[in-house]
Amino acid sequence: AQTVTQSQPEMSVQEAETVTLSCTYDTSESDYYLFWYKQPPSRQMILVIRQEAYKQQNATENRFSVNFQKAAKSFSLKISDSQLGDAAMYFCAYRSARNFGNEKLTFGTGTRLTIIP
Amino acid sequence: EAGVTQFPSHSVIEKGQTVTLRCDPISGHDNLYWYRRVMGKEIKFLLHFVKESKQDESGMPNNRFLAERTGGTYSTLKVQPAELEDSGVYFCASSPRVSPTYEQYFGPGTRLTVT
Repeated sequence: AQTVTQSQPEMSVQEAETVTLSCTYDTSESDYYLFWYKQPPSRQMILVIRQEAYKQQNATENRFSVNFQKAAKSFSLKISDSQLGDAAMYFCAYRSARNFGNEKLTFGTGTRLTIIP
Repeated sequence: EAGVTQFPSHSVIEKGQTVTLRCDPISGHDNLYWYRRVMGKEIKFLLHFVKESKQDESGMPNNRFLAERTGGTYSTLKVQPAELEDSGVYFCASSPRVSPTYEQYFGPGTRLTVT
C-alpha cells in the first residue's frame, strides 16, 4: 500500500517570501501521479499542481513549483512571493496510474501554512 | 458551472443515532468519491462510484456505513448507528470518467460530530 508523509504540521512565512512544503511517499509502483491540494479556511479543496512520475521536468504553475525527486520519493512544493491568499492547509496526494479500482487519492496529514503580513 | 455540493455542512448527533450525508457531483461527472478526515489525521479514502456502481469500496470502515448512488447522480452516505469515532469531516469529490489531468473536484465537506 502507498503512504504519503508530510512531516511539517505547520509552517509560516513572511508575505512576499518563499516557502517550501515537504512531502515524501512510499510506493512500489513506477508510474503514478502526485498532487498538491490547497484547502483555504472556507474549506473547498482545490488542486494547486500535479506531477506525472514519468516526467523528469518539475511542474510549475505561476508562483507554485515542485521539486520531484523520484529516486528519493520526495515531492516538495515551493511557493514563491507568498501572498495572504496562500494561507491554507496544503495536502500532498498520490494516485496510481492504474485505473479500474485504483483511482483513489492517498493523502498526507497536511501542512497548515500561515502567511505573516 | 456549479461545483460539488454537500449537505449538510454540519451535523451533530448522539451516539447510536443515524445520519445521512448527501453529495451532488458536478453535472456529467461519472466518478464520485467519498473521503473522510478525522481530526489531525490524513484524509482517507472511503469508496468510489462509477455512475451507480461501486468501483472500489475498500476504504469503508465497517458495515455501519452505507453508500448509495441511485441513478448515477447524487450520492448518499448513511451512518447507522453512529459511534464516537465516526466524527470527522466527510468530503465528496467527483471527476469525469476520462480526464487528462486526473483532477478530482472536491466539495466543501460535511463536519460530523458524534457526542
